[in-house]
Amino acid sequence: DGGITQSPKYLFRKEGQNVTLSCEQNLNHDAMYWYRQDPGQGLRLIYYSQIVNDFQKGDIAEGYSVSREKKESFPLTVTSAQKNPTAFYLCASSPGVSSTDTQYFGPGTRLTVL
Amino acid sequence: QQQVKQSPQSLIVQKGGISIINCAYENTAFDYFPWYQQFPGKGPALLIAIRPDVSEKKEGRFTISFNKSAKQFSLHIMDSQPGDSATYFCAAFDRGSTLGRLYFGRGTQLTVWP
Repeated sequence: DGGITQSPKYLFRKEGQNVTLSCEQNLNHDAMYWYRQDPGQGLRLIYYSQIVNDFQKGDIAEGYSVSREKKESFPLTVTSAQKNPTAFYLCASSPGVSSTDTQYFGPGTRLTVL
Repeated sequence: QQQVKQSPQSLIVQKGGISIINCAYENTAFDYFPWYQQFPGKGPALLIAIRPDVSEKKEGRFTISFNKSAKQFSLHIMDSQPGDSATYFCAAFDRGSTLGRLYFGRGTQLTVWP
């Protein structure tokens, strides 16, 4: 059963704590992405990675960090420096980085900061 | 700055009616335009996509109309059904990006009344 898995589905965090969101894909895709979704804001790109051990900042990278040590894994850490972290976080992957390489999304993680 | 402008933010249509969502862009480096459909609590999924050398693309009840000179494109859902109730995102692929960058509109929440 191929696809993208994100865990956990719901996550609660106290202010000042770092938290790591998991993203795993078994599609053998080279590229992976993290987006943040807020009501009425669409999908905003946090980080993206074309290949293992390489990643680039997106539009809203401040307060977030990522790693890409394995092709199938792209975890996102939400640090205490992120001022407003409560949101729905989506991970995506694509076979490559050409226009016709469709981005496939995981089911998302809803993070709530208490 | 929003690279892809989408309207309306929300849309209510009666069953059997036509739903129309519009998007506009300025960047001439955009060369691929996908639409994504997202159900509550799920990740977005590719619905249909078009290249700018084509003025229209139809897949079942879903049609994209593309106006290259006006830098506008729209999604038409014919014979709208309650099962079409979802959030729809238009997007644009930047061929000037080396890392497969997609820019998303802010989304349209479609509700189809039975």
